[in-house]
Formats: sequence, structure tokens, C-alpha cells
Amino acid sequence: DVKVTQSSRYLVKRTGEKVFLECVQDMDHENMFWYRQDPGLGLRLIYFSYDVKMKEKGDIPEGYSVSREKKERFSLILESASTNQTSMYLCASRRGESYNEQFFGPGTRLTVL
Amino acid sequence: GQNIDQPTEMTATEGAIVQINCTYQTSGFNGLFWYQQHAGEAPTFLSYNVLDGLEEKGRFSSFLSRSKGYSYLLLKELQMKDSASYLCAVQDSNYQLIWGAGTKLIIKP
Repeated sequence: DVKVTQSSRYLVKRTGEKVFLECVQDMDHENMFWYRQDPGLGLRLIYFSYDVKMKEKGDIPEGYSVSREKKERFSLILESASTNQTSMYLCASRRGESYNEQFFGPGTRLTVL
Repeated sequence: GQNIDQPTEMTATEGAIVQINCTYQTSGFNGLFWYQQHAGEAPTFLSYNVLDGLEEKGRFSSFLSRSKGYSYLLLKELQMKDSASYLCAVQDSNYQLIWGAGTKLIIKP
């Protein structure tokens, strides 16, 4: 079974702090994604990566950056956390072909005070 | 603009059948996915449709009409464990997923 893990289930940070969210997948998937999920809204894509060292902006990249130095790991960085970044963050991975499904991690619920 | 519409909430009875609809307007179409998400958990894949018609997988079936921009997820013989949110997502011309807000399905005994 594909397993996608995220570094924390719950995280509380203060405004202005730098925040790192880590995601690791164990199935050698090429593609990895970071989403945020807010009540009443669909999942929104922050950044994605087609392969190691590659990154592409999604629909809402402002205030975020990413890093993919190894194939299995995709990190999301909040350079200076703000209260409007309080959300559920979901990481996903997918084998390269577009018709394949995305596998999700359990999510990190981030609260910024 | 790109838009995915699905009902916010539905209620059904254990043992019954329920149909969750999804309509979409997107820039291009490269398939439609349905995911299930239990409260506090990750979404898990249910189905993928890229051609018109019905795909059946056990108690769950998914239908697609590309000309109408319409899909539905049919759940038969409902069980209490089917209480969850069901997410519709369309893969657009850039092979990115556009997600609906999800339908919360409540199953009553």
C-alpha cells in the first residue's frame, strides 16, 4: 500500500514564525502536491512538483514556498505565518501518469495565533 | 471560470440508495475523480471516469456525461460507515485537479 506521511497532525504557531510542513511518500511517485482545505471550499492547490528539484505554482502560492530535494520528500514552507494561513494542509502523491489517482497524507491542522 | 458544483449535504437511510450529483465547467477535461473523506481523515480514491457511461465497483458506481458536464456517484445498500464527505474533482487541460467543496452524506439508521 502507498503510504504518505506528514510530520505533524496538529501544529500551533505564532504570527510571523517560519513554519515547515514535511511530507514523505514511500512508493517512488514522481508527482507530489500540497493543498489546503478550508470549510465550504474545495481543496486548493498551493504548489506541486513533477519530479525532484522541480516545482510549479498552484492556484494559491502566495505566502508559501516548497522544496523537493529528494524524490520521496516534499516540504511546504510558510516564510512568515499569518492568521489567514490557519487551515488543514494535505499532501498528496501520484505516479506520473495523469490518469492515476492521488494518494493523500493524513493532513496537518495548522493554527496560527 | 472553472467551477465544480455538488450539494453541500445529503441525508439517507441505512440500506437505501443515494445519488450524489456533480456538475462542472472547466477549461478542458481529462477525467473526473470521486474521493471519500471521513471526518478528520485523508481523502481516499473511489473512482475515475474519462469516457461517458457508468463504471461499477461493488456498492459504488460513478457515471459521466461529458456533453452535459455532469457526473454522479451512486451508493447502494448504504451502511453507517458510508457517512463521510464525497469530493468530486475534474482534471483540467493542465492535468490539475479542480475540486468541488464536497457533499457531506449523513446516514441514519
